[in-house]
Amino acid sequence: DAGVIQSPRHEVTEMGQEVTLRCKPISGHDYLFWYRQTMMRGLELLIYFNNNVPIDDSGMPEDRFSAKMPNASFSTLKIQPSEPRDSAVYFCASSPPDTSGGYNEQFFGPGTRLTVL
Amino acid sequence: DQQVKQNSPSLSVQEGRISILNCDYTNSMFDYFLWYKKYPAEGPTFLISISSIKDKNEDGRFTVFLNKSAKHLSLHIVPSQPGDSAVYFCAASGYSGGGADGLTFGKGTHLIIQP
Repeated sequence: DAGVIQSPRHEVTEMGQEVTLRCKPISGHDYLFWYRQTMMRGLELLIYFNNNVPIDDSGMPEDRFSAKMPNASFSTLKIQPSEPRDSAVYFCASSPPDTSGGYNEQFFGPGTRLTVL
Repeated sequence: DQQVKQNSPSLSVQEGRISILNCDYTNSMFDYFLWYKKYPAEGPTFLISISSIKDKNEDGRFTVFLNKSAKHLSLHIVPSQPGDSAVYFCAASGYSGGGADGLTFGKGTHLIIQP
């Protein structure tokens, strides 16, 4: 079974350009998370969805960042305009629906390494 | 302010010995804790977790201990193997029950297993 798929794996762009990162969660999972990893701040949650609805976007750094989940199998994270400080590795993760009342761990994709020049 | 802290950026352990990775947290609302392992150029992979109602959880060579009063948890790996060399992240959730919630991560500890 395929894991979480992210594209592109690497993205190099110039300051001011629009960047779109894509994620396909594991089939059947109804939670989707976007995280960002930087040297300074480590891994931090940006936003997460449940059943395609944004639940918590308090980690989105500013209005230049937006995320959508048009259907259960696809999500995008867009940065417009991009800035050099957005350079980081962006991870997407998904989690299955609750069936037992317990916590379900998150499965991470391989990440997209973004470099903004 | 960091709510989950891993104060050792790196740890070197001899193969076959015990590896102990530590994690401290400040938010008393956290009630579920997880450890993730990460290799270079890959995403984190889930290793083991523990609910705040327990003080120990064991899975093969991996054991996680939770001390709620001290707001401290640790991951023990026995015996350590070369394939265990990776970055280990401690993560916490304040989920209210059922399903999932966003995780708060520590900055990681790079574990190096020496042959």
